Amino acid sequence: DVKVTQSSRYLVKRTGEKVFLECVQDMDHENMFWYRQDPGLGLRLIYFSYDVKMKEKGDIPEGYSVSREKKERFSLILESASTNQTSMYLCASSLAGRSQTQYFGPGTRLLVL
Amino acid sequence: DQQVKQNSPSLSVQEGRISILNCDYTNSMFDYFLWYKKYPAEGPTFLISISSIKDKNEDGRFTVFLNKSAKHLSLHIVPSQPGDSAVYFCAAVNAGNNRKLIWGLGTSLAVNP
Repeated sequence: DVKVTQSSRYLVKRTGEKVFLECVQDMDHENMFWYRQDPGLGLRLIYFSYDVKMKEKGDIPEGYSVSREKKERFSLILESASTNQTSMYLCASSLAGRSQTQYFGPGTRLLVL
Repeated sequence: DQQVKQNSPSLSVQEGRISILNCDYTNSMFDYFLWYKKYPAEGPTFLISISSIKDKNEDGRFTVFLNKSAKHLSLHIVPSQPGDSAVYFCAAVNAGNNRKLIWGLGTSLAVNP
């Protein structure tokens, strides 16, 4: 059974702080993804990674960076948090290949004050 | 430009009846489609998928139908149960060329007892 875990369920930060969101998957998946979900906007892809140390920008990468030093771990970094980054952040992973089924973590609800 | 559209933001159904959730897409290169279910404050969970070489896939109470000529797919839930109340997301991918899923904005289903 695939398990994707995220470091925090709820997080409160102040404007300008550097924020780290961690994601770990235990199924040896090659691909990992970071999304944010906002009401009425669905799931928007921030960054994804298809291999260790590899990353690609998604649809809304501005204000974010990522790190993938190990296959099982994918970190999302908010270099200087802003109030418009208040959101639900979702991490997902998937095997390389055609099925493209992504498995999600429980999400981190981030509030930036 | 939404390549995957879920035109009904919400749907209300009586328990025991059929729920039909619809999804339209514009990119004829999509060849794999997925449905996810999401409860509040949780990550999406994979529900069912269909390859473009098929027109129907069934898993218990859930059936997905694909009409390629109309670029339309639908998810049928029979019989609907109160526990099915959630947001349902449709997603599509050109599995041969891309690792990214393209997501619809979701339909919120309420199943009333």
